[in-house]
Amino acid sequence: QLVLTQSPSASASLGASVKLTCTLSSGHSRNAIAWHQQQPEKGPRYLMKLNSDGSHSKGAGIPDRFSGSSSGAERYLTISRLQSEDEADFYCQGWDTGGQVVFGGGTKLTVL
Amino acid sequence: EVQLVESGGGLVKRGGSLRLSCVASGFIFNTYYMNWVRQAPGKGLEWVASISSTSDYIFYADSQKGRFTVSRDNAKNSVYLQMNSLRVEDTAVYFCARESAGSGRNFDYWGQGTLVTVSS
Repeated sequence: QLVLTQSPSASASLGASVKLTCTLSSGHSRNAIAWHQQQPEKGPRYLMKLNSDGSHSKGAGIPDRFSGSSSGAERYLTISRLQSEDEADFYCQGWDTGGQVVFGGGTKLTVL
Repeated sequence: EVQLVESGGGLVKRGGSLRLSCVASGFIFNTYYMNWVRQAPGKGLEWVASISSTSDYIFYADSQKGRFTVSRDNAKNSVYLQMNSLRVEDTAVYFCARESAGSGRNFDYWGQGTLVTVSS
């Protein structure tokens, strides 16, 4: 069964970079995932699909400041040149071969 | 511009029923899988159900099987979620989401959600 694990919180300073992590459960290290951003009181916004080799395809209008990378069972979302509006919850999304879709618990990003 | 607009949420008593709707625009609706995802107050995202473009394939989260039914009407560019025997723990904002047309099942567009409140 696919499980995605995220740290509950992260913080970084305005203008700095931050790297968020999503860890796939055992046996799923080659799965692709998606990253989504949810700003306060809004619906989620799709950021990108991230493959196990680190290649990624971003959603419409997603700035270059957002990038993805992978290492083993870990999938990363890096946000560069942090802006105040980047303060949000970030979720990774995965799927298995049996039709099930799962989300990580989410990481709350605070921009200091 | 892709738009997904949910409706049908509201206050319902425990044991009651509710039917949510999501109207899509800005893309060829009958070629995409659609999904429902919910978010309880202060909690994370939880996938509820998926339906293929022609309704041939339907998947539910294991925790939802039996009470919720997803359906679609391609002539109306709409996807629905019929929720029966509602429980207090079903209280959440319900989002519809489009599944990307490429390989993989990433959701590439989301609606703004509709709030369902189940009272005891």
